[in-house]
Amino acid sequence: AQTVTQSQPEMSVQEAETVTLSCTYDTSESNYYLFWYKQPPSRQMILVIRQEAYKQQNATENRFSVNFQKAAKSFSLKISDSQLGDTAMYFCAFMKRTGGANSKLTFGKGITLSVRP
Amino acid sequence: ETGVTQSPTHLIKTRGQQVTLRCSSQSGHNTVSWYQQALGQGPQFIFQYYREEENGRGNFPPRFSGLQFPNYSSELNVNALELDDSALYLCASSRGGSSRDEQFFGPGTRLTVL
Repeated sequence: AQTVTQSQPEMSVQEAETVTLSCTYDTSESNYYLFWYKQPPSRQMILVIRQEAYKQQNATENRFSVNFQKAAKSFSLKISDSQLGDTAMYFCAFMKRTGGANSKLTFGKGITLSVRP
Repeated sequence: ETGVTQSPTHLIKTRGQQVTLRCSSQSGHNTVSWYQQALGQGPQFIFQYYREEENGRGNFPPRFSGLQFPNYSSELNVNALELDDSALYLCASSRGGSSRDEQFFGPGTRLTVL
């Protein structure tokens, strides 16, 4: 079974600054995906960024980038130039790579990020 | 917006009752996954439906059941409601049942059991 741990319940950052959200995971799988999801106060969960475990290069999406350390089973999210709209809960999630069955996401408990004006 | 819709938005039930939650998947998607998100927690996988068949199940009792229709919309049914069933129920649709396919989430149904 997989576990995802997010040990920081809350973080706060000043607008325009950079913040890093931490995540660790545990799995015996070798092929998998890792994700960061954002859940704003309106509740709809949206995908921020995805990392494929077999790729050594860290994923980036505009202001969002990850630091993926496979050996350490660590997957942190860096948000640069923080904006007020980044205020949300952020979830780290794991998915085993499958051909077609049971593509379930395993989520951490989440972290509440507040961006201060 | 992701194109995934859920109804109702909120629901209040009492212990022992039964409830049905509905999810309409995004156009072109044939897979629906259901998650339970308790207050202050991350979502937990309930089950997934792919082309009208159950395609995997999490650690939930049999009183949690589901259905997927030919248009790929889906229902989650919960019988004999318990207080601990109070949560936000999320559905997510994807183009296929593979891990390559991104899951797009709906806004959720907030269920309160009194």
